[in-house]
Amino acid sequence: KAGVTQTPRYLIKTRGQQVTLSCSPISGHRSVSWYQQTPGQGLQFLFEYFSETQRNKGNFPGRFSGRQFSNSRSEMNVSTLELGDSALYLCASMRAGGPDTQYFGPGTRLTVL
Amino acid sequence: AQSVTQPDIHITVSEGASLELRCNYSYGATPYLFWYVQSPGQGLQLLLKYFSGDTLVQGIKGFEAEFKRSQSSFNLRKPSVHWSDAAEYFCAVDSTGGGNKLTFGTGTQLKVEL
Repeated sequence: KAGVTQTPRYLIKTRGQQVTLSCSPISGHRSVSWYQQTPGQGLQFLFEYFSETQRNKGNFPGRFSGRQFSNSRSEMNVSTLELGDSALYLCASMRAGGPDTQYFGPGTRLTVL
Repeated sequence: AQSVTQPDIHITVSEGASLELRCNYSYGATPYLFWYVQSPGQGLQLLLKYFSGDTLVQGIKGFEAEFKRSQSSFNLRKPSVHWSDAAEYFCAVDSTGGGNKLTFGTGTQLKVEL
């Protein structure tokens, strides 16, 4: 079974631009979560989608948003990029409501110049 | 709010030596606990998890962890470290009861000396 895939793997943007990252979960998984990893703040939870609905949300500004499609694929969007948004963005999928295990993708490395 | 503490930022061990990585958590209810490993430039790989039952859990790559409620700890152990174990290790607790919102510790970077 294929793992979690994330596209693109690397991205360079400039301040003020917006960006969309994509995540395809493991087949049959209905929950997708997003995390931001930075050297200063570590791993932080952004949000989680289940059956196209945002079920949990972390403490990030409204510039960070996401959505999930009927095939469970998910996208996250960051608008008006700031230098501090440079990070590794990790997507994780899980089968259902839990308790269960999240399986992580390789991440998208976003650099904001 | 829940939190996870990994007191050791860096640990260096010799190949073949035993390893223990510490993890303490703060959470009001019975926690769901996880250990993940991350190699440079990679995502997170699950080593093991604790949901309930036997407090000593076995994972992949010869790792094990013991849940101690009285000490709010979930330490990761391996009896004999291999050079390929060099990586960063993260302890995490789930705060929703479903495993879908993880709070991570700051990580422990493991270096293995040959």
